Amino acid sequence: GQQLNQSPQSMFIQEGEDVSMNCTSSSIFNTWLWYKQDPGEGPVLLIALYKAGELTSNGRLTAQFGITRKDSFLNISASIPSDVGIYFCAGQETSGSRLTFGEGTQLTVNP
Amino acid sequence: DTGVSQNPRHKITKRGQNVTFRCDPISEHNRLYWYRQTLGQGPEFLTYFQNEAQLEKSRLLSDRFSAERPKGSFSTLEIQRTEQGDSAMYLCASSFWGVNTEAFFGQGTRLTVV
Repeated sequence: GQQLNQSPQSMFIQEGEDVSMNCTSSSIFNTWLWYKQDPGEGPVLLIALYKAGELTSNGRLTAQFGITRKDSFLNISASIPSDVGIYFCAGQETSGSRLTFGEGTQLTVNP
Repeated sequence: DTGVSQNPRHKITKRGQNVTFRCDPISEHNRLYWYRQTLGQGPEFLTYFQNEAQLEKSRLLSDRFSAERPKGSFSTLEIQRTEQGDSAMYLCASSFWGVNTEAFFGQGTRLTVV
């Protein structure tokens, strides 16, 4: 079946630093989504990408949909302590179909 | 609208008991999804509905699992004869069906089977 490889698994950074994480897939997706999850809570949608090559920003977050449709990355600029959490990428084959999730990137921000 | 609502938030049950979880989606959304998440992993797809029709079921959804969405609004997920391996976070999400649709998740139900 489809697999998403998300890296890195964890990151420990200082407040104010920039962060980059990425996902690669063995197959093509037509939508990429990035979620953030806090302990004991459900994932919260950060950014949705619908077109190969698309670059989308949401505040300090920027995400790109790879032109091969098999990868995506998420950048966080000027990190702050509330950025702490687990970040998941998710791919979707067609609009409204199931999501396939990566294994997550655990982000720790030291003040 | 307050988003996707799941009840209960936590459930502890003894092995062999049946449990039922409820999900109330965002009111105008016609698609509803169930996922399961174990510690340290990303959510895994279980099943989804468009209105009241169950369109897809994962092989993870064994015979002990059943999901319904009888009137195309809220949904229930029942697990019969629970096993310790069923311990997980059960997540519900909803979306529109159409072009460029995003799935929004509820807060989840944490199941512990003892």
